[in-house]
Amino acid sequence: SQTIHQWPATLVQPVGSPLSLECTVEGTSNPNLYWYRQAAGRGLQLLFYSVGIGQISSEVPQNLSASRPQDRQFILSSKKLLLSDSGFYLCAWSVLPPLSGNTIYFGEGSWLTVV
Amino acid sequence: GESVGLHLPTLSVQEGDNSIINCAYSNSASDYFIWYKQESGKGPQFIIDIRSNMDKRQGQRVTVLLNKTVKHLSLQIAATQPGDSAVYFCAETYAGNNRKLIWGLGTSLAVNP
Repeated sequence: SQTIHQWPATLVQPVGSPLSLECTVEGTSNPNLYWYRQAAGRGLQLLFYSVGIGQISSEVPQNLSASRPQDRQFILSSKKLLLSDSGFYLCAWSVLPPLSGNTIYFGEGSWLTVV
Repeated sequence: GESVGLHLPTLSVQEGDNSIINCAYSNSASDYFIWYKQESGKGPQFIIDIRSNMDKRQGQRVTVLLNKTVKHLSLQIAATQPGDSAVYFCAETYAGNNRKLIWGLGTSLAVNP
């Protein structure tokens, strides 16, 4: 069966510090990978998605970036965090490419608080 | 603009009753819909999905109904249990936006013992 892991689960970082959230998927090959952000009490905002190694699509302009160094690894980064970057970050994966109707499966999330 | 909205931000039901969570969408091109359940502090979990060529789909204790005429989606939970307490999101997608999921704001379901 497929599993998704993301870490760290919680993170408190000062403004201006760097960020690295990691996500790995097991039990499948060539998954589509996603990073979402969820503000408290709100819906999900798609930040990045990737259909393959080194292929990253950015959905919103921001000071975050994503990388996919390996097939089943997806990393969310920032060089300098802003207060507004605080939130709940979710990694997700799917089997089918975004051009087909597909179901995506989420990790447990990472709580980021920028202070 | 395009939107997926929920009629009720909160829903409170008695344990054992049936729950109905509603969702309206505005894009008639949407052809795939998913319901997710999100418990506090956790990532969303897939519950059930439905394609636009269907109007009903059943799972274990859950049923999704799709009414394309009025662009309405609902999630019915039978014999609601305390473990069903969570926020429920509907999401839609269509080919024209590269199949990105468009998420509703969520409905909070509270099950009273």
